[in-house]
Amino acid sequence: AQSVTQLGSHVSVSEGALVLLRCNYSSSVPPYLFWYVQYPNQGLQLLLKYTSAATLVKGINGFEAEFKKSETSFHLTKPSAHMSDAAEYFCAVTPYSSASKIIFGSGTRLSIRP
Amino acid sequence: GAVVSQHPSRVICKSGTSVKIECRSLDFQATTMFWYRQFPKQSLMLMATSNEGSKATYEQGVEKDKFLINHASLTLSTLTVTSAHPEDSSFYICSAPQITADYGYTFGSGTRLTVV
Repeated sequence: AQSVTQLGSHVSVSEGALVLLRCNYSSSVPPYLFWYVQYPNQGLQLLLKYTSAATLVKGINGFEAEFKKSETSFHLTKPSAHMSDAAEYFCAVTPYSSASKIIFGSGTRLSIRP
Repeated sequence: GAVVSQHPSRVICKSGTSVKIECRSLDFQATTMFWYRQFPKQSLMLMATSNEGSKATYEQGVEKDKFLINHASLTLSTLTVTSAHPEDSSFYICSAPQITADYGYTFGSGTRLTVV
């Protein structure tokens, strides 16, 4: 079975500061891992995904995440926060097989202080 | 890129009525569609998985007779909330995997259902 745990339901940072959103996964098979962003009353937009290639994954809007097998982590970072980054972020996992269901973490709401 | 068109985006219905939500894959064939619901300030919970031409697979605790899923073609999957009640008010989102696109998943834009 697969699962993800997002540490911190709410993270607040100042504009220009480092963004760090934490995600730990549990998987009995090699996982594929994702980070999605959701703006109010909208669907999900893929930020980045890890699919067993490079462990450091670069995504859109300046975000990146590093897959660390030893720590079972896939934390999301961005060097400098923008006001437009304020949204809900979800970490998700799916097993290394085709068309498997995605399991989402509980989400982290990111707020940006001016 | 691949798009899943979800309609309606917002619907208000009276208790006891049924509501149908449609998800169409516009430029690819969606043999599988996942249906999620999301309560305010919560995560997405998988309700069911539909596969074209076969019966949907429901997650534990999801009422099959209440949430009817049909996947009659490779480009259309529907979720019908039957005899809706206020507790069914939620945000419903569909998602289709794209096997040929390095395991990308495309999400619909969601449907906000309010039952009054």
